[in-house]
Amino acid sequence: SYELTQAPSVSVAPGETARITCGGDNIGDESVHWYRQKPGQAPVLVISFDKDRPSGIPERFSGSNSGNTATLTISGVEAGDEADFYCQVWDTNNNAVFGGGTKLTVL
Amino acid sequence: QVHLAQSGADVKKPGSSVKVSCQASGEIFISFAFNWVRQAPGQGLEWMGGVIPLVNRTNYAHRFQGRLSITTDESTSAAYMELSGLRSDDTAVYYCATGSSLLNVYSFDHWGLGTLVTVSS
Repeated sequence: SYELTQAPSVSVAPGETARITCGGDNIGDESVHWYRQKPGQAPVLVISFDKDRPSGIPERFSGSNSGNTATLTISGVEAGDEADFYCQVWDTNNNAVFGGGTKLTVL
Repeated sequence: QVHLAQSGADVKKPGSSVKVSCQASGEIFISFAFNWVRQAPGQGLEWMGGVIPLVNRTNYAHRFQGRLSITTDESTSAAYMELSGLRSDDTAVYYCATGSSLLNVYSFDHWGLGTLVTVSS
């Protein structure tokens, strides 16, 4: 089955840029979706189809996908951005696959 | 907007079954797909399965096949997840998540608040 690899944690200072990566075999050929989950809350879609921002998601959130790595970029990180972030794709068996998640810490 | 209302928390004995409901309201489209994602305490998200009522297609993650059933009631825009043969490691928050299935690789645009299922003797 298809596997997605995420670093367990990423730390950045306020105002800096956070880059959260999602690795997978030729993931650039897939459509990647990103979700943010704050403690005790349900996940929220922040990027769909590699780079599309849903309504209500700040422009500070952007996405890219090429080769074996998809990246979620958060510019001008704020304390309120602290959360777990998950990438997700669909495999060839029409099964959804999530990455293990990355905890973003704002220093 | 779409709102997904899930049934309340439940405590089950090992070996029993649990059925969680998800009631959709708002801007619901016929192409909607209903999926179930669970999260064990302190762990990541795990997709369990999903159903696309428009084409009557259901998919289950391999590890749940044989003890998971996902159904829908189109007349009430509700979806149900029933998991049997419960074990202690099935203790988790179970989320209902929907998206438009017009593209096979759709995103989970809307999520319910989750239902905590505790399996304990």
